[in-house]
Order: sequence, then structure tokens, then C-alpha cells
Amino acid sequence: AQKVTQAQTEISVVEKEDVTLDCVYETRDTTYYLFWYKQPPSGELVFLIRRNSFDEQNEISGRYSWNFQKSTSSFNFTITASQVVDSAVYFCALRVSGGYNKLIFGAGTRLAVHP
Amino acid sequence: GAGVSQSPSNKVTEKGKDVELRCDPISGHTALYWYRQSLGQGLEFLIYFQGNSAPDKSGLPSDRFSAERTGGSVSTLTIQRTQQEDSAVYLCASSLTGLAGGLNEQFFGPGTRLTVL
Repeated sequence: AQKVTQAQTEISVVEKEDVTLDCVYETRDTTYYLFWYKQPPSGELVFLIRRNSFDEQNEISGRYSWNFQKSTSSFNFTITASQVVDSAVYFCALRVSGGYNKLIFGAGTRLAVHP
Repeated sequence: GAGVSQSPSNKVTEKGKDVELRCDPISGHTALYWYRQSLGQGLEFLIYFQGNSAPDKSGLPSDRFSAERTGGSVSTLTIQRTQQEDSAVYLCASSLTGLAGGLNEQFFGPGTRLTVL
């Protein structure tokens, strides 16, 4: 079975703080893809990153960074020096290979960044 | 714009009525997906279309739900005899290809908020 767990339901930080959103996944497949999406108050899901199971390199994009660790089945997302515009719900998702292309989403983490 | 578009943005209907939700994918995208986002259930996969292949309907919650994709482009999700538990935001997404290993980032539309009274 495939499953994505985002244990943090809500996180509240003050602007300029760093924040890490946790994501733990379960799958028996050896080939899979992990994603992060952002859902701002407007409601539209915005793609942030894709990582495949064979690439454990961490990635940094501006203030965003992702830490993929297969040993712990985790794909955590860190926002450095958070800003009010980062306030949104963040979803981690899993897609397994083999023809089934649906995304399996975690429950989401609501991040509130206060000035 | 060139993104995924959905209509209507909001739909209020009475219990027992049928509704149709429309999705226009990004031009050139062969894969199209429907998801539902509701309180307490999170984001759930409903159905997936890839080119001319038979759709993956494994996520449809009941036989009141159906979807079609005409001409490999526009898709319509139909809910018959709506129930209050159908109230949710219905999201459509498309990707360049749904094939394993391909460029499969899914780009989402703004959603249709369905309220069943």
C-alpha cells in the first residue's frame, strides 16, 4: 500500500524564522516520485518540486530546500527566512511507477507566517 | 492564460440534482486527472485519462460519478443525484504525459467548489 503522512497539521511562525515541513511516505515500489505542492488561499495547487527515487541529492531553490532520505522514507521541506507570502497549505505527494499515475497526497500542513 | 481552466468556479445545487463540471487542460497535455478535496478526506484521486487509453476509474466513489474526455482534450465530470457528502472542491490537473518516467508534473486548475444543499 502507498501512503503519505504529514504529521504536522498546522505550524505558526514569525516572519524570518526557518521552518521545516515533514513528509513520510510508504511504498513497496522501488521506482517512485515525490512531490511538494503549495496551496495558497486562492486555492490553486502550485507545483514546487519533483524528486525521483533514484536521486537522493538534496535540492535548494532560493529560500526553499528539500531533504530526501530513503533510509527514513522522508522528504522534508524547509523554508528559510519565512515570509508572509509563504502562508499556505503545503502538500506532499507520492506517485508510483507502473502505469498508475495518480498522486497520493498527504493531509497537508497549514503554514501561517505572521509579521 | 495557458494553464488548466475549470468551470464553473462555484456551483450550488440541491440534493438529488445532477451536475456537470468542466475541465480544459493545458494544450498538448495528454494526461488529465480529477481529484476531490473535501474536509476530513484531504485530496483524493478520482479518475485519470491518458490519451486514447481506457481511463483509470479506480478512485470514483460511487456509480453516481462518471467522467468523459472528448477529443483528447476537454473533460466533463458528472455527478448524478448529488448528495450532501459530495460537497467539495473538485480539482482537475493535466500533465504532458502520464507515462511512467515521463515528464509527469501535474498542473492543477483553480477547482470547482460544489455545494450540495
